[in-house]
Amino acid sequence: GAVVSQHPSWVICKSGTSVKIECRSLDFQATTMFWYRQFPKQSLMLMATSNEGSKATYEQGVEKDKFLINHASLTLSTLTVTSAHPEDSSFYICSASPGLQVDIQYFGAGTRLSVL
Amino acid sequence: GQNIDQPTEMTATEGAIVQINCTYQTSGFNGLFWYQQHAGEAPTFLSYNVLDGLEEKGRFSSFLSRSKGYSYLLLKELQMKDSASYLCAVRDDKIIFGKGTRLHILP
Repeated sequence: GAVVSQHPSWVICKSGTSVKIECRSLDFQATTMFWYRQFPKQSLMLMATSNEGSKATYEQGVEKDKFLINHASLTLSTLTVTSAHPEDSSFYICSASPGLQVDIQYFGAGTRLSVL
Repeated sequence: GQNIDQPTEMTATEGAIVQINCTYQTSGFNGLFWYQQHAGEAPTFLSYNVLDGLEEKGRFSSFLSRSKGYSYLLLKELQMKDSASYLCAVRDDKIIFGKGTRLHILP
């Protein structure tokens, strides 16, 4: 149980375009989902927390207009990187938690974004 | 401020035992997690400690001392597949991850 699917696993795009990443909880309802960013050999950096049906809470320094998060249902959250630039190239990972409180998180497989 | 410290890298031999330490300073504490992350993959959950003491789960054990702000992950009977990064994470009002410890297993 507790499977989180993330798609796509790898994407290459041109600078200035937008990329959407999907995160789905397959066998549980995810009241809370998290989006992380990870640079090589670095730790996971929390970008934002989203609760179903409400606006995402962004961490300090994360541009909400650039990283659009939508958590429209209990099983789906999306992250859209708008007007992507090479410095946005990174490993993006989502996780989902079945409870309202921060609890054990189940991670998706991650999306490697390369912006040319 | 929030700070989680763990060694950057460790090396151990197949079949041996290794202990990965984690110290933390956070404004609040609601539990400590250990995750395993293979290169290029997402983290997978290993353990969760909220009370002091040792939690054992197969070859992996995790220990917590809240008064000392200290935890360790103990891996026994090491296998080559245990080569990975091990992330210590503390739950305050959100989960904060350490930078991870890259564990290299030698045959």
